[in-house]
Amino acid sequence: EVQLLESGGGLVQPGGSLRLSCEASGFTFRNYAMSWVRQATGKGLEWVSGTSGNGRSTYYADSVEGRFTISRDNSKNKLYLQMHSLRAEDTAVYYCAKEACSSTNCYGVDYWGQGTLVTVSS
Amino acid sequence: DIQMTQSPSTLSASIGDRVTITCRASQSINSWLAWYQQKPGKAPKFLIYKASTLESGVPSRFSGSGSGTEFTLTITSLQPDDFATYYCQQYDDYPLTFGGGTKVEIK
Repeated sequence: EVQLLESGGGLVQPGGSLRLSCEASGFTFRNYAMSWVRQATGKGLEWVSGTSGNGRSTYYADSVEGRFTISRDNSKNKLYLQMHSLRAEDTAVYYCAKEACSSTNCYGVDYWGQGTLVTVSS
Repeated sequence: DIQMTQSPSTLSASIGDRVTITCRASQSINSWLAWYQQKPGKAPKFLIYKASTLESGVPSRFSGSGSGTEFTLTITSLQPDDFATYYCQQYDDYPLTFGGGTKVEIK
């Protein structure tokens, strides 16, 4: 059974930093691209960042480019999101997401974590 | 970046109704479109990929169609479990982007 367990959320002041973690199990982690998706309260889904299975390719939404860094440790089956220069508008539930992929393309998120809440406020 | 626009933003329907949600892309995304269902307080559920392929376990009353810039999600006979918010997401290019969502409410 695929499981994605996020941790690291919490309250942080504007301008501060936070690192989210996602522990994956139930699948061969290194074989799959992974993403972070966030959702502010009462708002829609926003894709934040993604990484390839080997971690060499990383992608970011314009809203977080230069402030957030995605990484993974395939030896530990863990995905990370390092967040710097946090703003009030970064307040959201952050979901860890496993990508559904063929040998050539990814085409959706087939598994989601339960989410971890990040609140940016003074 | 590719912008995804869903319509309507809210839809009121009754049990048994046929429901159609539209998703438009700001440029061609071929068939690289996914659909999700989300209920309050829960993570989204994967419904459809490559515009029209049903994910395993998803009821056959759900279907997707379209290519290029215009796509639709159809529920042929709305069931009580289907009242939720639906999102489209493009997978043609990074950054990946979601539509704004369509809330399906009870009429």
